[in-house]
Amino acid sequence: KAGVTQTPRYLIKTRGQQVTLSCSPISGHRSVSWYQQTPGQGLQFLFEYFSETQRNKGNFPGRFSGRQFSNSRSEMNVSTLELGDSALYLCASSLGPGNGYTFGSGTRLTVV
Amino acid sequence: QQQVKQSPQSLIVQKGGISIINCAYENTAFDYFPWYQQFPGKGPALLIAIRPDVSEKKEGRFTISFNKSAKQFSLHIMDSQPGDSATYFCAAMNRDDKIIFGKGTRLHILP
Repeated sequence: KAGVTQTPRYLIKTRGQQVTLSCSPISGHRSVSWYQQTPGQGLQFLFEYFSETQRNKGNFPGRFSGRQFSNSRSEMNVSTLELGDSALYLCASSLGPGNGYTFGSGTRLTVV
Repeated sequence: QQQVKQSPQSLIVQKGGISIINCAYENTAFDYFPWYQQFPGKGPALLIAIRPDVSEKKEGRFTISFNKSAKQFSLHIMDSQPGDSATYFCAAMNRDDKIIFGKGTRLHILP
């Protein structure tokens, strides 16, 4: 059974650009969550989608957005990149609310 | 009320010793408490989890102790091995809300 797949694994962008990250959940999982991980802040929740609907949203500016498709795949977008957006972005999937999460290996974003 | 406080921030244990990581929460609506293990370059992986209807759960060398009245839970790693060196995150969640993670504990097992 394939795990959670995140693409790309590494990304380097310039300040002011925008970026789109992709996440393919485990087959049958309908819930996808996104997290930003930095050394100083730990795992910070970005948003969660279930059946194409955003269920929860963390305390991030509007430059961070996401969506989920009918096949449960999800994308997150960050516009007008800032140096502070450099982080490991993790996607996690689960069968649904209240169930355990399985994480992908993440996308390492570096903003220069 | 949504926070999960984790301690210590870092921990060094001799090989064969017991590693103990503690977490505390405030929201009594939480009903699922997982622990995640993360190695460098990888995403967190579910290690063990507990629901509040039991006080202890053991899986191999890993044990969760849960104290509902104190709103605290802890991870014990028995016979700690160098391969256990990783960052450990506790978390808490309920069915209607997002999962809340602790800040993480960097564990180093001395060979």
